[in-house]
Amino acid sequence: EPEVTQTPSHQVTQMGQEVILRCVPISNHLYFYWYRQILGQKVEFLVSFYNNEISEKSEIFDDQFSVERPDGSNFTLKIRSTKLEDSAMYFCASSDLAGGNEQFFGPGTRLTVL
Amino acid sequence: AQSVTQLDSQVPVFEEAPVELRCNYSSSVSVYLFWYVQYPNQGLQLLLKYLSGSTLVESINGFEAEFNKSQTSFHLRKPSVHISDTAEYFCAVKTDSSYKLIFGSGTRLLVRP
Repeated sequence: EPEVTQTPSHQVTQMGQEVILRCVPISNHLYFYWYRQILGQKVEFLVSFYNNEISEKSEIFDDQFSVERPDGSNFTLKIRSTKLEDSAMYFCASSDLAGGNEQFFGPGTRLTVL
Repeated sequence: AQSVTQLDSQVPVFEEAPVELRCNYSSSVSVYLFWYVQYPNQGLQLLLKYLSGSTLVESINGFEAEFNKSQTSFHLRKPSVHISDTAEYFCAVKTDSSYKLIFGSGTRLLVRP
């Protein structure tokens, strides 16, 4: 069964450093998403991506964040200068259509900023 | 704006007992409703969804949820739980005008032998 994969499973970084979180969405999907979950809080939407551009972003997704689909398979989230409050579980998701179609989630990357 | 409330942060229940996990939402427009489950160290998996039509939706592993528009609820039920149902359950909503899922805070179902 096809699935969304994410690497690494756990990333530890120093405050101010850049990190890149990687995701491989399901191969025939067209819509890609990033969500995050700070420990003890809700899963929050960050950004959606379609046709090589951002289709929607939340207030959280400020200038320190960027997304890219560098090739036909990977979808990345870059945090330019990490802050302590960026520590969270980051989930990638993909879907074949928008609307009410299911978003398939990856297992997440736990980011710890020291 | 939409919001989702899951009032119960944790629900302990004995094996083979029935369970109900509550979900209420707020929205001024029509929504799609979802229940996702997260097993330990895994991602979110779709359990069931309501898009339109019959207000009662079922999953393959015995869970069901009923969309109640007047009460703005989408409670999840199972008549007899197993130990393997122990997980975190998230209710979520989505509208046609947005790409994002809006999640509740989750309910941890703890099934005891």
